[in-house]
Amino acid sequence: LAKTTQPISMDSYEGQEVNITCSHNNIATNDYITWYQQFPSQGPRFIIQGYKTKVTNEVASLFIPADRKSSTLSLPRVSLSDTAVYYCLVGAPNTGGGNKLTFGTGTQLKVEL
Amino acid sequence: NAGVTQTPKFRVLKTGQSMTLLCAQDMNHEYMYWYRQDPGMGLRLIHYSVGEGTTAKGEVPDGYNVSRLKKQNFLLGLESAAPSQTSVYFCASSGSNSTLGELFFGEGSRLTVL
Repeated sequence: LAKTTQPISMDSYEGQEVNITCSHNNIATNDYITWYQQFPSQGPRFIIQGYKTKVTNEVASLFIPADRKSSTLSLPRVSLSDTAVYYCLVGAPNTGGGNKLTFGTGTQLKVEL
Repeated sequence: NAGVTQTPKFRVLKTGQSMTLLCAQDMNHEYMYWYRQDPGMGLRLIHYSVGEGTTAKGEVPDGYNVSRLKKQNFLLGLESAAPSQTSVYFCASSGSNSTLGELFFGEGSRLTVL
């Protein structure tokens, strides 16, 4: 499984755009990049997934360069409710063995007024 | 639609006692997983199942057993609890027909072993 590296923590203010970068130098050809969000005392929640270039949904955007050795989760105009831990995961979803994804320590995002 | 439900949500055990955590999902998912999360750490996979009647070891399986007798249920057992097993346990499921492989998590079960 590809190892990921992301900042331990980030601080921001309401209304700003937040970009969290994840490094995954040994990503495999079949691997996808998936981001989860976790609030205190809750299980993680799926945010977005991508393979290459850019993916956007109603919550976030995911930017993946051509070499796929890193990725950036972009949260537009964050609010206090975006304060959470964000996990970057790399793996091949549902390839006959389910989703044995490895969660790292994640990035603690703190949003202030 | 309840999604993934874990019981109990809280439990305190004495060293050496046994217990079972129950995970139930109503989404007809093939895959189910048990993770543990310790303070300031990410989630670590304990055991997982790719279908009814099958189980497999994850990263940290020692001290735990699991069973998947019914597709909707995944049980995690501790035969002889140890203080090192004090943790928050999360169950998750995912569907085999989803290209995203999105994991759906329960709310967690907080276990304290004294």
